[in-house]
Amino acid sequence: KNQVEQSPQSLIILEGKNCTLQCNYTVSPFSNLRWYKQDTGRGPVSLTIMTFSENTKSNGRYTATLDADTKQSSLHITASQLSDSASYICVVSAGNTGKLIFGQGTTLQVKP
Amino acid sequence: DTGVSQDPRHKITKRGQNVTFRCDPISEHNRLYWYRQTLGQGPEFLTYFQNEAQLEKSRLLSDRFSAERPKGSFSTLEIQRTEQGDSAMYLCASRLPSAGNEQFFGPGTRLTVL
Repeated sequence: KNQVEQSPQSLIILEGKNCTLQCNYTVSPFSNLRWYKQDTGRGPVSLTIMTFSENTKSNGRYTATLDADTKQSSLHITASQLSDSASYICVVSAGNTGKLIFGQGTTLQVKP
Repeated sequence: DTGVSQDPRHKITKRGQNVTFRCDPISEHNRLYWYRQTLGQGPEFLTYFQNEAQLEKSRLLSDRFSAERPKGSFSTLEIQRTEQGDSAMYLCASRLPSAGNEQFFGPGTRLTVL
């Protein structure tokens, strides 16, 4: 069964601190993996996308890693800001249909 | 703003009523997806279209749900005889097949069934 699991479920950090979110997946065939940021009451917005051959991808203060052998990914947020408070969703694309398998998300709260 | 719009943004209805949501994708995107998201969960796939053809439907899409994309542009999702369990955020996304499978999401329609 295609599954994407994320940890932790929720996280609270102080402004300016770094954090790392984890994603494990069992999706076949694997096409790509992406991280989305979803603000409360809004649709998800793509942060990074990685194919099988890519190990790391950065987007400003966001850095995603992918280990296709262990089927794990992480999203590292550097020097967090209050605006980083959101849900971060790991999504794996399966096959050629573009159908996305979503994790349940990690809710991040950045406090001043 | 991703370029995908959804209407309405919020809908409150009484159990048993019918509701219809609309999604306007990015104009040149030929694939359109519908998802449902409940609180604290990631989105779940419902169905998708390539142009006007509905190519796949999830088992989550019961007989009370119907989606259309009559001219291959905007799409509608109708829920008949709504139940309280239908309360969720309904998300629409669109993409071009050649664009690395990147899906662009709309802001969603939040449905509350009383």
